[in-house]
Amino acid sequence: EAQLVETGGDLVQPGGSLRLSCAASGFSVSDTYMNWVRQVPGKGLEWVSIIFRSGGTYYAESVKGRFTIFRDSSKNTVYLQMNSLRSDDTALYYCTRGSGNDWGQGTLVTVSS
Amino acid sequence: DIVMTQTELSSPVTVGQPASISCRSTQSLEHTDGNTYLSWLHQRPGQPPRLLLYKISKRFSGVPDRFSGTGAGTDFTLKISSVEVEDVGVYYCMQSTQFPYTFGQGTKLEIK
Repeated sequence: EAQLVETGGDLVQPGGSLRLSCAASGFSVSDTYMNWVRQVPGKGLEWVSIIFRSGGTYYAESVKGRFTIFRDSSKNTVYLQMNSLRSDDTALYYCTRGSGNDWGQGTLVTVSS
Repeated sequence: DIVMTQTELSSPVTVGQPASISCRSTQSLEHTDGNTYLSWLHQRPGQPPRLLLYKISKRFSGVPDRFSGTGAGTDFTLKISSVEVEDVGVYYCMQSTQFPYTFGQGTKLEIK
């Protein structure tokens, strides 16, 4: 059974950095594509980034140049490096397998002074 | 970007009654590979979303057959043939035909 566990969310000041982790079990993150999706509490879903089996990546315009998605196959983990954080990055961040096949419980990022 | 717009349910639904949610996209979701990457997800309060249907009408593993999907091009519908209490929550359509992937705003289903 596939499982995803996100960690790394925290309270950070505007302009700060954070790295989110998504540890997978039950499958290999290198054998599929993985996404990050975020959700402001009480609001809708926003796609953030994807990493393909090939290692190719795409980003939402709102995070391009600030966020980087990458993976460590030896740890079976996908990461989201978040730099130059802004208040509108505040959200619950989920990682998902494929086109939403599996979701973690999410990790909360709060950007505030 | 492709904008996804969902209809609202006009009122709470009685258990055992059907429910239908529509989703419209600003561009055709038919990919050059011939597939249409339109999915439906369900999110219960306090829970992450879970996948119900993908490629318009294919049920994901473990999804009851009371959930079905239809549509093509820019217009899609999720149907629940007989609503159960556990179906409460918010339903989202999502397109993964073109980057950036985009979601509908969500449709809340409440039980009467």
